[in-house]
Amino acid sequence: AQKVTQAQTEISVVEKEDVTLDCVYETRDTTYYLFWYKQPPSGELVFLIRRNSFDEQNEISGRYSWNFQKSTSSFNFTITASQVVDSAVYFCAPSNNAGNMLTFGGGTRLMVKP
Amino acid sequence: EPEVTQTPSHQVTQMGQEVILRCVPISNHLYFYWYRQILGQKVEFLVSFYNNEISEKSEIFDDQFSVERPDGSNFTLKIRSTKLEDSAMYFCASSEVHLAGVPGGQYFGPGTRLTVT
Repeated sequence: AQKVTQAQTEISVVEKEDVTLDCVYETRDTTYYLFWYKQPPSGELVFLIRRNSFDEQNEISGRYSWNFQKSTSSFNFTITASQVVDSAVYFCAPSNNAGNMLTFGGGTRLMVKP
Repeated sequence: EPEVTQTPSHQVTQMGQEVILRCVPISNHLYFYWYRQILGQKVEFLVSFYNNEISEKSEIFDDQFSVERPDGSNFTLKIRSTKLEDSAMYFCASSEVHLAGVPGGQYFGPGTRLTVT
């Protein structure tokens, strides 16, 4: 079974600051997938990214970037030039090797102040 | 952009009653899931469904729970005899199938808030 730790329960930044959300996971699977989701105050879960465990290339999508380090079992998420609309709870979620079961972390609540 | 829809948005039921939560996954997706989130807690996996059968389920998904794809568009979660601790937000999700049958990203619906009194 997967286990995931998001050690930062709450982060507060001022708009335009960069912020990194940490995620460390444990798994016995050799192949797995890693996901990040955003849950704004409205409550829905918004899919941000899915990565394969065998692809360690970092990824950038606009102001979002992800750093995957298989050697340290970490999949960290950075928001550059944060905006108030980024305020939400962010969940890291590794999957099993079949990719059909996500284990969610406890989430990091990000508050971006104007 | 296609999205997962869920009905109702809020369901109130009495303990011991049966409840059915409904979901319409994204039309070309073939993997379907149910998760739940008790207020203030983490999101928990319940079950995944592919090719008309359960492909994975958690310990939470006991005999009180069942899933069904009654037609080509709906995916339902039934709780036979609700308990107070079943009160939670229930999320449906779906994903497309990638090469070798591996599911892609899971797209979530807006959720159904179930309140058991």
